[in-house]
Amino acid sequence: ETGVTQSPTHLIKTRGQQVTLRCSSQSGHNTVSWYQQALGQGPQFIFQYYREEENGRGNFPPRFSGLQFPNYSSELNVNALELDDSALYLCASSLGLAGSYEQYFGPGTRLTVT
Amino acid sequence: SQQGEEDPQALSIQEGENATMNCSYKTSINNLQWYRQNSGRGLVHLILIRSNEREKHSGRLRVTLDTSKKSSSLLITASRAADTASYFCATGLMNRDDKIIFGKGTRLHILP
Repeated sequence: ETGVTQSPTHLIKTRGQQVTLRCSSQSGHNTVSWYQQALGQGPQFIFQYYREEENGRGNFPPRFSGLQFPNYSSELNVNALELDDSALYLCASSLGLAGSYEQYFGPGTRLTVT
Repeated sequence: SQQGEEDPQALSIQEGENATMNCSYKTSINNLQWYRQNSGRGLVHLILIRSNEREKHSGRLRVTLDTSKKSSSLLITASRAADTASYFCATGLMNRDDKIIFGKGTRLHILP
């Protein structure tokens, strides 16, 4: 088990609504990355936060946004939910930027959009 | 096009046999990582191999990297039922540490 926690575990939302997912990073880690994983697929990089600033973004629209707090925990916000947003959302923390350091993943939040 | 692609997509072997999975990529990398995921849960980091390394070991795991062929392999020796999982390669791109790209994974099933 890593020291990365995510909440909630499961979530059901209606199309058009907004959602906030939370992630607590492992002690000593200053970077949090967020991923979307559809069923049967690999994780897709959404973005990463390094020392409270976004540093790198995947191919996701602006309605996906985030925050990182001084204690390095993080939030992922998704506005105007669409059916295709249904997926497992994973966060991972690391000692540095995602492209250079191993990632420690949380258990994920399963989001269902109806 | 996919930066990292694992091969095969699925693999079933008998317990005790060795399992080999391959990963090919298109763009030059800083490093390549292998992760394991059990039943849609969080991923577990296995090995990180840097572009100037050719082979790394960790317990029953052996990873090789051939940058000239843009490919990597993960070997699991003496497989166990607990090795049943999906295995993903992830690439950190050359001069780009602001993202990491995962492949679609190999689903490994160890038969008793």
